[in-house]
Amino acid sequence: AQSVTQPDARVTVSEGASLQLRCKYSYFGTPYLFWYVQYPRQGLQLLLKYYPGDPVVQGVNGFEAEFSKSNSSFHLRKASVHWSDWAVYFCAVTSGGNYKPTFGKGTSLVVHP
Amino acid sequence: AQTIHQWPVAEIKAVGSPLSLGCTIKGKSSPNLYWYWQATGGTLQQLFYSITVGQVESVVQLNLSASRPKDDQFILSTEKLLLSHSGFYLCAWSLWGAEQYFGPGTRLTVL
Repeated sequence: AQSVTQPDARVTVSEGASLQLRCKYSYFGTPYLFWYVQYPRQGLQLLLKYYPGDPVVQGVNGFEAEFSKSNSSFHLRKASVHWSDWAVYFCAVTSGGNYKPTFGKGTSLVVHP
Repeated sequence: AQTIHQWPVAEIKAVGSPLSLGCTIKGKSSPNLYWYWQATGGTLQQLFYSITVGQVESVVQLNLSASRPKDDQFILSTEKLLLSHSGFYLCAWSLWGAEQYFGPGTRLTVL
């Protein structure tokens, strides 16, 4: 069975600090992995996506993520957090032709000035 | 460019009343369509998906139904609302089951 674990329900960082949000997945087959961001009272927006290939993928607004098959992980990183990054971040796993993706429970990012 | 529209933006309904939520995708032919429910606190629950007009697959049973009457339209409904139906409903589309693009959502409050 496929699963996604985001072990941190909430992460607090200072503006300008670096960030890592953790995501561990379990998937039978070749996984496609995604990070989505949700701002208050809005839908989810795709932040970045991983298809088999280069393990480091770049997304919007300076975000990047690294796929690790050995660790079953897809952690999200950003070098310098901005106050506008205050949001909830979801990790998800699926594959082509799989119409039931699995989402993690989300990590709420709080940014302090 | 493709756009996804959900209506209404918000609803306040009484327990036992009927409900119909809509979703329209413009600019994409034959998309895969999805309905999600998001509880307060943020966990996403997939409800339905559809890969073609007239065909809808249920993922969980929550006393809701869905229909796809046109290629670009996805409808979520129930004849009798429960308190537990309150939450945020999100429609999404994808191609070949990969990354999804979400609508702005509909907030439902059942009293």
